[in-house]
Amino acid sequence: QKEVEQDPGPLSVPEGAIVSLNCTYSNSAFQYFMWYRQYSRKGPELLMYTYSSGNKEDGRFTAQVDKSSKYISLFIRDSQPSDSATYLCAMSAEGRAAGNKLTFGGGTRVLVKP
Amino acid sequence: DAGVTQSPTHLIKTRGQHVTLRCSPISGHKSVSWYQQVLGQGPQFIFQYYEKEERGRGNFPDRFSARQFPNYSSELNVNALLLGDSALYLCASSIRTGDQPQHFGDGTRLSIL
Repeated sequence: QKEVEQDPGPLSVPEGAIVSLNCTYSNSAFQYFMWYRQYSRKGPELLMYTYSSGNKEDGRFTAQVDKSSKYISLFIRDSQPSDSATYLCAMSAEGRAAGNKLTFGGGTRVLVKP
Repeated sequence: DAGVTQSPTHLIKTRGQHVTLRCSPISGHKSVSWYQQVLGQGPQFIFQYYEKEERGRGNFPDRFSARQFPNYSSELNVNALLLGDSALYLCASSIRTGDQPQHFGDGTRLSIL
């Protein structure tokens, strides 16, 4: 079983809808939680970053972390065709031993139709 | 300010050859990490370097090696290339070890024939 599970999709929504993405994980040591967006033939672009549990909002994006359930979510409001991409969740433990190692989910492909 | 830059952008090699990939971190960032992303999957951690020392290593064979230079740029070397090494190789940087989040370059796409 993978440490981080993410539905591969594809997830198809009409323009203007809310996109709901999530990941589950098994390693209780994870403290840093990130969402990256990746367009075809490009590197991952950081969207949201959260430390420990809680919610964070930035423009159209809201990230939620529930450590008790080992579950994280990303919501995209008022979705646009330009939001069509693969969304990757990533996590990291804290401390010197963990270093900078990120553990990624497999990515969810999102398609926003005009 | 320039982001993480990687070179070359695309490389074609044959089985058994050797390859060197290069990464320049964001200015002021001293930690560099390397990831392998096979098509349709999430990136997998290969190495982390900080202050020219290896600080972490993923589950990759000894054919993979890396180093970091005094200017904090880094090289990833892969020997005896296999077809399964075909992937997008990503470099990420952060200010120091243990820092999150990391910022990624656009990668080097390596194709093995």
